[in-house]
This record gives sequence, C-alpha cells and structure tokens, in this order.
Amino acid sequence: DTGVSQDPRHKITKRGQNVTFRCDPISEHNRLYWYRQTLGQGPEFLTYFQNEAQLEKSRLLSDRFSAERPKGSFSTLEIQRTEQGDSAMYLCASSLGGGGFDEQFFGPGTRLTVL
Amino acid sequence: RKEVEQDPGPFNVPEGATVAFNCTYSNSASQSFFWYRQDCRKEPKLLMSVYSSGNEDGRFTAQLNRASQYISLLIRDSKLSDSATYLCVVRINSGYALNFGKGTSLLVTP
Repeated sequence: DTGVSQDPRHKITKRGQNVTFRCDPISEHNRLYWYRQTLGQGPEFLTYFQNEAQLEKSRLLSDRFSAERPKGSFSTLEIQRTEQGDSAMYLCASSLGGGGFDEQFFGPGTRLTVL
Repeated sequence: RKEVEQDPGPFNVPEGATVAFNCTYSNSASQSFFWYRQDCRKEPKLLMSVYSSGNEDGRFTAQLNRASQYISLLIRDSKLSDSATYLCVVRINSGYALNFGKGTSLLVTP
C-alpha cells in the first residue's frame, strides 16, 4: 500500500497521560499536514510541514501539542497531559507540493479516546 | 461564524434521484475550492475540484459563484454507493490549510 499510513489506528488513554501518533506520508510527498476531526464536524487544520520545516500552525495547536518531522519523511504528533476534549480522530495528509493544484491525500486516522 | 457553512442534512433520496448540496464561504481571499467525500469512519477523499467556469465529472457537477461566495454540488442519477458525507472545502490564497465545512450527509435508498 503506497498511501498515507498512520499508527496506531486507535488509542485509549487516561486523562493526564501523554500520547504520540505517527504518520508516514506518500514517499515522494514533501508536504505533510495534521488535522483533527470530532464527531459531526469536518476536519480542522492543526499544522503543516514543508520537508522538515513546520511552516504553519493553527490556534487549535495549544502548547500541549507538538509536532515534528525530523528528517522530512515521517511525522509525529504528541499530546501531553491529555484532556477529555482531546478525544477526536487525528488525520494526517500529504501532498506533492509544487505549483498549481496540490491534492492532499489523507491517511486513515488515529482515533483517540481520553477517559 | 465558521468559514465554510453547509447544511448538515441528512438528505434521504431514492435511487435515481437528483440531489444538490450548497455551501457558502466567508473569506473573500479564498482561492481554491473542492468537494471531498467521506464514508463512515473513513478518511476524506477528493471528489472534485471546483472551478469558476463550473465543471462536470460523470454524474457530478460542481459550480462556483465567487460574487455570492457560494459553491454547489449536483449529483444526478443517485446510486446506493453515493451514500456518504460530502465536505465542502476551501483554501485561502495565502495558506496551505484546507478549511472544511461540517459536511452534508447523503443516504440513497433503494
């Protein structure tokens, strides 16, 4: 499968614990995005990387959230001191970059439940 | 006010029907427009881009009205497999983020 992959697919944690998610983009894609989706809502943008540089961050990305893409390939999203309001589907997407239309391809998501 | 507004539905239509979804956006700097499809508990997938001149892909037709900041999607001859949530998506000129509406739920029944 050459699509975007995410790991784990499901994560259940207790409030106050830290969690980390991984995203592997499509191999030749240099742009990577994180979104969050709650029930009944569309995905909401969190952050964007061009190669290893984090170029855009949403106001939704509080100081408990940190994202990295150390070698410009896979990315991790860490949530510290999780809260029940963090329960959501965390979606990763990647795109090729360059000019013109730049389709974002989404991974299957990591579903986080905070108890 | 959300940047992208959609009627959440649900729209329940019989097979073969024609159904139309509408969407409005608030930021006049919006540059790119899309419809994504999301099946239950799956990731969003691009259905089609929306161009100012309007565009068609088989049974699907998308229209954009920049003056009214309005986007539409028309599905003709609905199939059972069209049942999904349709997300209206806008990208602001200066950014890379996609701004999604809440989605419109479609159920096509036999």
